[in-house]
Formats: sequence, structure tokens, C-alpha cells
Amino acid sequence: ETGVTQTPRHLVMGMTNKKSLKCEQHLGHNAMYWYKQSAKKPLELMFVYSLEERVENNSVPSRFSPECPNSSHLFLHLHTLQPEDSALYLCASSQGSWGNEQFFGPGTRLTVL
Amino acid sequence: AQKITQTQPGMFVQEKEAVTLDCTYDTSDPSYGLFWYKQPSSGEMIFLIYQGSYDQQNATEGRYSLNFQKARKSANLVISASQLGDSAMYFCAMRELTGNQFYFGTGTSLTVIP
Repeated sequence: ETGVTQTPRHLVMGMTNKKSLKCEQHLGHNAMYWYKQSAKKPLELMFVYSLEERVENNSVPSRFSPECPNSSHLFLHLHTLQPEDSALYLCASSQGSWGNEQFFGPGTRLTVL
Repeated sequence: AQKITQTQPGMFVQEKEAVTLDCTYDTSDPSYGLFWYKQPSSGEMIFLIYQGSYDQQNATEGRYSLNFQKARKSANLVISASQLGDSAMYFCAMRELTGNQFYFGTGTSLTVIP
């Protein structure tokens, strides 16, 4: 595997379910990100981890809980979501310098019923 | 204030023609990077091109070039010889010296017409 991978690619869940999104990067980067992309809305930054420490939390509801056990893995734990949380969730990684681009995973399309 | 502004929600271009997608940015950091990404309908964000704030020359990557005008704070993407596969959303982004955050614009939807 190369680059940034995300699983699952598609997820349908009820409002009472608990699920987790997984992201893995094989690039040796030291920063990882979760973004939410809703239809016809800009990309919204949710969380940033740098060297496994959370450095950004952009007022995300507590029903989204991130976890970064090491520099290669990032999880987004979901519980009691709302239908408006249905979106594309993108994971990205980068090296910690302003001159380095982000590499994105293919995303997880989440539908909350 | 918006860090990244993309004023063209949608653009059309004839196949084989060139197209310019606009991007302006706002920062007081002297050191920053500017990036363009392509997002096809499949959803994956694909990195296209990078311009550093200290770069003297415009960046080029194949059919992509970045028209960097520092004094005007603009970083327009030029796609030459458009192909049908170029139809996608295009996002401009910036990363400043301080912090890990990338700031994204609202995107431009490009449609290439045969």
C-alpha cells in the first residue's frame, strides 16, 4: 500500500450506531488531518494532529472523537450522529513544514439515516 | 477575512483550449506555500502544483502552471490544452509558516466541452 488509505469507502449508519473511520498513511509524514466535505460546501477542517498530539480542534461536536495512536494511523470515532453529518470525510497527511503539500486519502462517504 | 478566495464557482472550456482558474489569498506571513488540488467526481483530492512565497519563477508541472503575482496576492492556475479528463472541482489552498493548517478556497467547477 502506498499513499494515504481510508476505510471504509462507504458507510451507512443509523443515528444510534457507533462506528469508526480509519486512515493510514505510508509516507512517513508527521501531521494528519480530518476534513468534512458536505455537498455544495467548502472543505471544513475538523482536527489536526502533529506528532500524535492534537493541535487543532475546530469546534467539532463531541459526537466526533479523533484518535491518533501513532504517526501512521488516525481514527475518527462516530456515535449518535445526525443526518446533517452525512458527508464525505477526507483524511490527509503532510510533513510539518509550510512548503509541503497535503496528500489526501480517497475519502469515506458517510450517510446517516 | 477569507484566507483564500476563488470567485469562479463554475467555468467552461473547449477541449484543447487553455483555461485560467482564479485564486487570491490573504496573509501577513512572509513565508507561505500555495497549492492547487483537483477533485474529480470520485472524491479524491489530487495535488497538482505548488508555489512557495520566495520562489522567483512561476511553478509549472506538465500542462499546469501557476501564475504567481505576489504583489497582488494572486495565484491563478493555468491549464493548457484542456482534456475531457480535466473536468473536476479545483481547489486553491495556502499554508502559512506558523501552524499546520491548510486554508482552502470554495473551489471552481471546471467542465471541458468536447
